[in-house]
Amino acid sequence: DIVLTQSPGTLSLSPGEGGTLSCRASLPVGSNFLAWYQRKPGQAPRLLIYGTSNRATGIPDRFSGSGSGTDFTLTISSLEPEDFAVYYCQQYGSLPWTFGQGTKVEVK
Amino acid sequence: EVQLVQSGAEAKKPGESLIISCQGSGYSFSRYWIGWVRQMPDKGLQWLGIIYPRDSETKYSPSMQGRVTLSADTSTSTAYLQWSSLKASDTALYYCARLRSGYSSSFDLWGLGTLVTVSS
Repeated sequence: DIVLTQSPGTLSLSPGEGGTLSCRASLPVGSNFLAWYQRKPGQAPRLLIYGTSNRATGIPDRFSGSGSGTDFTLTISSLEPEDFAVYYCQQYGSLPWTFGQGTKVEVK
Repeated sequence: EVQLVQSGAEAKKPGESLIISCQGSGYSFSRYWIGWVRQMPDKGLQWLGIIYPRDSETKYSPSMQGRVTLSADTSTSTAYLQWSSLKASDTALYYCARLRSGYSSSFDLWGLGTLVTVSS
C-alpha cells in the first residue's frame, strides 16, 4: 500500500496569510493521481484538487496544487475565514487507494 | 440538486448484521462509480471499496475484502454497504462518495456520513 504522510500536523495561520501543506508518498503515485480534500466539522469532505493540480468545480483560485512522483503540495495563497479546516490528500493511482492523516489549518 | 443522502446513525451489538444506504439524486446514478470511506475514532480516512452501479462491478480494499459487501440498486439510485457480523472495530463514521470521472478518479460528491457504533 502507498502510505501518504502529511505535514505539518497542524498549521497555525492568520487570515490573509498564505500556507503550504505537504503530502509525501512512500511510493510514486501512479499518473500523479493525487487529490486534496477539505473537511469541516459536521460537513461532508469537499474535493479541492484532483490530478495533482486541477481545481475542482467552484474552487477558488487561491487553492493550488503541485508536485509529482512522491512529493505533493497544496498551497493556499491568502487564507479566508472559511478556509480553516482539516485537509487530506488521497492517492487513487494504485489500489488500495489511500489517504493521508490530515493537516489541520487553525487560526493563529 | 446533485446530492448523496445517507441513512441515519446505527447502534448495534457485536455479531449483528447491518446494512447502510446512500441514495443519489440529481444525476445519472448508474453511470458513476460510488465509493465508501470510513473514519474510525481519532483516525484518518480509510478507503473501503467502490462499486459501479450499472453492472455492480466492485473493487475492495484488501483489508475489507470478506468483511463487507457493496451493492447497488439502480431502480432506486441507492448504494449499500453491509456487514453480516459486526465487530467493535467497525465503529466509525462511514461516508459514501461519487467518483468524479470513471473508475480511477477522485471523489467529487460526498454524503454527510452514517455513524455506526458497535458495542456490547
